[in-house]
Amino acid sequence: KQEVTQIPAALSVPEGENLVLNCSFTDSAIYNLQWFRQDPGKGLTSLLLIQSSQREQTSGRLNASLDKSSGRSTLYIAASQPGDSATYLCAPLYYGQNFVFGPGTRLSVLP
Amino acid sequence: DAGVTQSPTHLIKTRGQHVTLRCSPISGHKSVSWYQQVLGQGPQFIFQYYEKEERGRGNFPDRFSARQFPNYSSELNVNALLLGDSALYLCASSLVRTNTGELFFGEGSRLTVL
Repeated sequence: KQEVTQIPAALSVPEGENLVLNCSFTDSAIYNLQWFRQDPGKGLTSLLLIQSSQREQTSGRLNASLDKSSGRSTLYIAASQPGDSATYLCAPLYYGQNFVFGPGTRLSVLP
Repeated sequence: DAGVTQSPTHLIKTRGQHVTLRCSPISGHKSVSWYQQVLGQGPQFIFQYYEKEERGRGNFPDRFSARQFPNYSSELNVNALLLGDSALYLCASSLVRTNTGELFFGEGSRLTVL
């Protein structure tokens, strides 16, 4: 059974800090991996999609890396802002299956 | 362009009742997936549909069913509701046939079962 873990479970930082959110997944046979943001009580917003053939993707202050062989992905947030406060979820897509979500990292950026 | 739209946004039911949730995908997207998200956890996959055919099913009981219409909109039905069915139900659409493309989610339908 594929499992996805995210560390840390929660994180509170002052504004302006650079952050690293970690995602680990069992079984390296994935098509791609997607990072999402979720505000309380809301749906998921897609942040980045990394194909299995890629090492990283960038969008603005966000950079996501993927290491299939070690079963890890990292989301890097530069110069964090209070508006970045949300829960961040990673979801690898396994061959022959569907996206499997991690439990998320709850981020709070303090002004 | 409109994103994924879901209705209703909130609803309250009692145990044993039936519920129907609706989803309209992004224009041009032919694949629709349903997820259940219990408070404090990540979403869990329920169904995927493409071109009106079921392409994937998660580990949910037969009380859960879904269908996709010719205009690619979709319904999720849950019969004989249990307290444990209380959750945020999320619909996602993607462009490609297999679920290998980027997923785009709606705001969800919050179901409370009393």
